[in-house]
Amino acid sequence: DAKTTQPNSMESNEEEPVHLPCNHSTISGTDYIHWYRQLPSQGPEYVIHGLTSNVNNRMASLAIAEDRKSSTLILHRATLRDAAVYYCILRAARSTGTASKLTFGTGTRLQVTL
Amino acid sequence: DVKVTQSSRYLVKRTGEKVFLECVQDMDHENMFWYRQDPGLGLRLIYFSYDVKMKEKGDIPEGYSVSREKKERFSLILESASTNQTSMYLCASTPRDRGRGEKLFFGSGTQLSVL
Repeated sequence: DAKTTQPNSMESNEEEPVHLPCNHSTISGTDYIHWYRQLPSQGPEYVIHGLTSNVNNRMASLAIAEDRKSSTLILHRATLRDAAVYYCILRAARSTGTASKLTFGTGTRLQVTL
Repeated sequence: DVKVTQSSRYLVKRTGEKVFLECVQDMDHENMFWYRQDPGLGLRLIYFSYDVKMKEKGDIPEGYSVSREKKERFSLILESASTNQTSMYLCASTPRDRGRGEKLFFGSGTQLSVL
């Protein structure tokens, strides 16, 4: 299964944009890029996902490199509530009866300060 | 909203006990997963299942087994609990892969302490 690489930690000031990078150099053509975040004392929650084109939703934007070997999660205006661990994973698109393995790494711990 | 419910938020067990961690989802999802989470190690996949009675090993299956007798329920079993199995256990579910990048839904986790 293709793996992802993320920085261990990042810091941001409140109200500023945050760009969280993820490298996935061994991504295959049918892998979706997913982002999840885990707030303290909670299970991870879905943030956004995409395949080739950039994606926007109410939580964030996802910018995908043209060669798809990296992506960036963009929080447009960080708030204290965005302090969490952010995980980037790859999900193979397949229509067989089996499931993708869905491996998470250690993610990026985002600290947001006033 | 999809709900993934883990039966206990906190659990304390003794070494050698048989431990059952239960997970139930209410969205008719085919795929279910068990992860453990330890400081500095991120989420590590223990087992997953893509259908009733089907299971596959994840990255760290040793010391664990699973049961999926009904579609909505996926149980993680520690046959003989050991102190190194003290951890946060997270269950997740997702629909069958249909080529649209279906997203995962997680439970709140069970913090297991083995004394």
